[in-house]
Amino acid sequence: DADVTQTPRNRITKTGKRIMLECSQTKGHDRMYWYRQDPGLGLRLIYYSFDVKDINKGEISDGYSVSRQAQAKFSLSLESAIPNQTALYFCATSDSDRNEQFFGPGTRLTVL
Amino acid sequence: GENVEQHPSTLSVQEGDSAVIKCTYSDSASNYFPWYKQELGKRPQLIIDIRSNVGEKKDQRIAVTLNKTAKHFSLHITETQPEDSAVYFCAARQYNNNDMRFGAGTRLTVKP
Repeated sequence: DADVTQTPRNRITKTGKRIMLECSQTKGHDRMYWYRQDPGLGLRLIYYSFDVKDINKGEISDGYSVSRQAQAKFSLSLESAIPNQTALYFCATSDSDRNEQFFGPGTRLTVL
Repeated sequence: GENVEQHPSTLSVQEGDSAVIKCTYSDSASNYFPWYKQELGKRPQLIIDIRSNVGEKKDQRIAVTLNKTAKHFSLHITETQPEDSAVYFCAARQYNNNDMRFGAGTRLTVKP
């Protein structure tokens, strides 16, 4: 089945380290998103991309960067991780003709 | 930007009872309102959505109502079952605009 996958699923790192989270999809969707989920705060959009040449900031982009290497791949980087970036990170995709977003399984990131 | 508030944060019902979750939004230009269900340890999944050109939509035991004048929308689950236990998120955005804002979530517990 077509799916959205994320690697790694869990990561523990130290303050100041550079971290990359990767997302791949086989759904053939053109739009991809990165969210973070914190208890009591719901899902907040970090960045999104309409296609390979399009990158847009979301609600909370500070401290993060992204790269859309191909239609099927969208990576999220933390250049210098800090403890308040500890969260559950979700990648999502959608088709330009439909609104439904399909989420990956999530990456649990802990910054010590 | 859009701001979405969701109530209650937790809801406990007896199996067979109904459950109602309410959300309000701030941007009158928003016209797409999805609801996502997230089971424990799983990814969020779309369960129902509504566009602003309709006031109500039903799908078996779940329904969503929208009051554009008051800028609020609600999720109704009838004949609740233990498998309905999950966290539910509402969201709002302008149709085909990818900056979607989520509510903080409601943890629904259905007691057998």
